[in-house]
Amino acid sequence: GENVEQHPSTLSVQEGDSAVIKCTYSDSASNYFPWYKQELGKRPQLIIDIRSNVGEKKDQRIAVTLNKTAKHFSLHITETQPEDSAVYFCAASSPSYDYKLSFGAGTTVTVRA
Amino acid sequence: AAGVIQSPRHLIKEKRETATLKCYPIPRHDTVYWYQQGPGQDPQFLISFYEKMQSDKGSIPDRFSAQQFSDYHSELNMSSLELGDSALYFCASSLSADPYNEQFFGPGTRLTVL
Repeated sequence: GENVEQHPSTLSVQEGDSAVIKCTYSDSASNYFPWYKQELGKRPQLIIDIRSNVGEKKDQRIAVTLNKTAKHFSLHITETQPEDSAVYFCAASSPSYDYKLSFGAGTTVTVRA
Repeated sequence: AAGVIQSPRHLIKEKRETATLKCYPIPRHDTVYWYQQGPGQDPQFLISFYEKMQSDKGSIPDRFSAQQFSDYHSELNMSSLELGDSALYFCASSLSADPYNEQFFGPGTRLTVL
């Protein structure tokens, strides 16, 4: 099946700095790459996604890039705020695997005030 | 807008008991996915249904079964519960007509097995 790897596992940044999380995937047929923010005991909350027909997408302080050739995608958070502290998961979805989501292991982001 | 509904939100069971988790997808969504998330883990795919038929199966124990009904709601049945089944169980729904199959997550059911 699809294998998604995510790095780093933990990330501590100073408030106002940027945070970058990187993921790789194995199935070249994957065409949908969502990013989720999850707070303890809550559901994964979709914060941004990118489809395979675009290379970059931005929504205010959050941006995602996709390199289909290298099979990797990244999340960039600029001007981090304490409320950005959470666990972030990348995921990939492929028609080869019935569009089920394969998640990365998660990144615990801590924004220091 | 209507979201995915899961019930119950919390469930406490003893070992070897049975549990049933329910999921009500967003209206008009025809596809349901179940995920299990253990403490400190990423969500793991269990099983999915499209138009009331099982479409894919992941790392789901034989003790678990699931189905999707004519109104598209789904139930996950878990028997002979073990301590290791304690986890958050999420249901997600999607519309098969969406070429990217964006999934919408429910609030989850927290199952605790004592």
